[in-house]
Amino acid sequence: QQQVKQSPQSLIVQKGGISIINCAYENTAFDYFPWYQQFPGKGPALLIAIRPDVSEKKEGRFTISFNKSAKQFSLHIMDSQPGDSATYFCAASYSGAGSYQLTFGKGTKLSVIP
Amino acid sequence: DSGVTQTPKHLITATGQRVTLRCSPRSGDLSVYWYQQSLDQGLQFLIQYYNGEERAKGNILERFSAQQFPDLHSELNLSSLELGDSALYFCASSLRWAGLYGYTFGSGTRLTVV
Repeated sequence: QQQVKQSPQSLIVQKGGISIINCAYENTAFDYFPWYQQFPGKGPALLIAIRPDVSEKKEGRFTISFNKSAKQFSLHIMDSQPGDSATYFCAASYSGAGSYQLTFGKGTKLSVIP
Repeated sequence: DSGVTQTPKHLITATGQRVTLRCSPRSGDLSVYWYQQSLDQGLQFLIQYYNGEERAKGNILERFSAQQFPDLHSELNLSSLELGDSALYFCASSLRWAGLYGYTFGSGTRLTVV
């Protein structure tokens, strides 16, 4: 079954700290791994994405680390800010079907406290 | 504003009824995806249309159907509604298949079945 398991379910981090969210997948055919950020009352917004041919991708304070052999990937948010408080979803898809339908993790609710 | 417009924003209806959710994709996007978001199941892929044709089907119930019109807007029809259909329904769009650039989500329609 195509599943993406995400942990933790919720996370509280102090301002300036590092937030780390982990995901694991089962389907080795997955070849695209995005992270989405969702604020209350809004739809998910693409934050950063990676393909399995690289082990790390960094955009500003956000970094994806990817471990193909372990079938795991994680999101690191450096210098976390109260404005980062949101729900984060990891996802995965494969291009073989030409659809790019996303399989999402269950989400992590991040709270950054001042 | 993401450029993806969903109407209505909120919908309250009784069990057994039928509703239609509407989505206008971002200008130039040919592909429309529908997702259901509930607390217990997270974000679940329902169906995708590309340039008017059904491209992929996910966990969509037989009571649900969708279509994409020549002007590329899409409608999701939900019939014989049950209490368990209460959820947020998101539409997302992309230029072609999402590839590395991901989708753009709308703000969703919150459906409450009473």
